[in-house]
Amino acid sequence: GAGVSQSPRYKVAKRGQDVALRCDPISGHVSLFWYQQALGQGPEFLTYFQNEAQLDKSGLPSDRFFAERPEGSVSTLKIQRTQQEDSAVYLCASSLDASAVHNEQFFGPGTRLTVL
Amino acid sequence: AQSVTQLDSHVSVSEGTPVLLRCNYSSSYSPSLFWYVQHPNKGLQLLLKYTSAATLVKGINGFEAEFKKSETSFHLTKPSAHMSDAAEYFCVVSVKWRRNNNDMRFGAGTRLTVKP
Repeated sequence: GAGVSQSPRYKVAKRGQDVALRCDPISGHVSLFWYQQALGQGPEFLTYFQNEAQLDKSGLPSDRFFAERPEGSVSTLKIQRTQQEDSAVYLCASSLDASAVHNEQFFGPGTRLTVL
Repeated sequence: AQSVTQLDSHVSVSEGTPVLLRCNYSSSYSPSLFWYVQHPNKGLQLLLKYTSAATLVKGINGFEAEFKKSETSFHLTKPSAHMSDAAEYFCVVSVKWRRNNNDMRFGAGTRLTVKP
């Protein structure tokens, strides 16, 4: 497809379960970002990849959160031992080149995670 | 550190009347500024961006924003609202403060309602 896709669109997990969220960026986009959007809030930065290199993971809230992009295209955000406070929409965005400050980010529709 | 404040959580206008969505920012560096729109069940879409060129920026769908450094503001305007403009709007400040770190901060969002 032409845009950023994410799967699943909705995920319900029991507290303590591990989850994996997938992002397919626009083909050829170098930069990839993950954000967490809590209900009624703006997205908050989690982590940033340039190709396969994770250059910034300062926004990951705990060591239960892990992201990878092994071949520089598809990315997976994994959350281990989910907690109720992890309930949010997780957004993925991609950008054409490495100068992400000035360039438009293209966002996927998000994955809504609900932890019971 | 960077931050962004959207002064109104909810704005309601009548169709055909002007729209004003207010945004103030704080940044230790020269920022790039963006407005994104989020329609229900759709990904965030870029409306416009300011990257140190012209201070009056024109975007899609008739929106524009003016960067005012002295007031640290980047308000979004449109002369005449359309029903399809009803959505959530996010003001974003972005700064590259280290080689591999892009600090991108979203405001909490303003929900625009357009009445017939």
